[in-house]
Amino acid sequence: GNSVTQMEGPVTLSEEAFLTINCTYTATGYPSLFWYVQYPGEGLQLLLKATKADDKGSNKGFEATYRKETTSFHLEKGSVQVSDSAVYFCALSEKYGGSQGNLIFGKGTKLSVKP
Amino acid sequence: DAMVIQNPRYQVTQFGKPVTLSCSQTLNHNVMYWYQQKSSQAPKLLFHYYDKDFNNEADTPDNFQSRRPNTSFCFLDIRSPGLGDAAMYLCATSSGGHGANVLTFGAGSRLTVL
Repeated sequence: GNSVTQMEGPVTLSEEAFLTINCTYTATGYPSLFWYVQYPGEGLQLLLKATKADDKGSNKGFEATYRKETTSFHLEKGSVQVSDSAVYFCALSEKYGGSQGNLIFGKGTKLSVKP
Repeated sequence: DAMVIQNPRYQVTQFGKPVTLSCSQTLNHNVMYWYQQKSSQAPKLLFHYYDKDFNNEADTPDNFQSRRPNTSFCFLDIRSPGLGDAAMYLCATSSGGHGANVLTFGAGSRLTVL
């Protein structure tokens, strides 16, 4: 079945440090890939997405590239801010078939950024 | 702004006392989802509606039911909450269809069971 594995947290960084959160996936078809972010006390918000191999999603300085050969979708940011402190979820959804559209999430990685 | 609204944001109930959580949307989306998120875990899909078609995940307990009386509203009913049902319940919507199906989430309803 489909699954998402992301690096365990928590991750603690100093402001302006480089961020990488690893994510790999297993899928039977050709999924779309997503990163969602959850700030304390809030619901999930879409951060970025990619729909096919070699696509790069980007938003708010975050980037992730859909790598089919390594089944990965790692999240990166060159310089994190305190306001980036949140839980980040990697997710996939199948484009076709009976379960198309349903998101499958990784366990989430909590990021804390210190001033 | 078009959005997904969940009520109540916080719900406290007693063991075995039925609870209903509500979700409304102004996006006119075809699909509505209910996810359960326990502390420090990934959200887990309970069920979803594609228009009026109800789709239950195989491992969703019978204790959980849902109603969608119209496009805008969807309810989650927990008939006899147990301590293990304490969680954040997330409602989400999407336009459906093929391709990159982006979900829009509400802020969640946090359920405490005493």
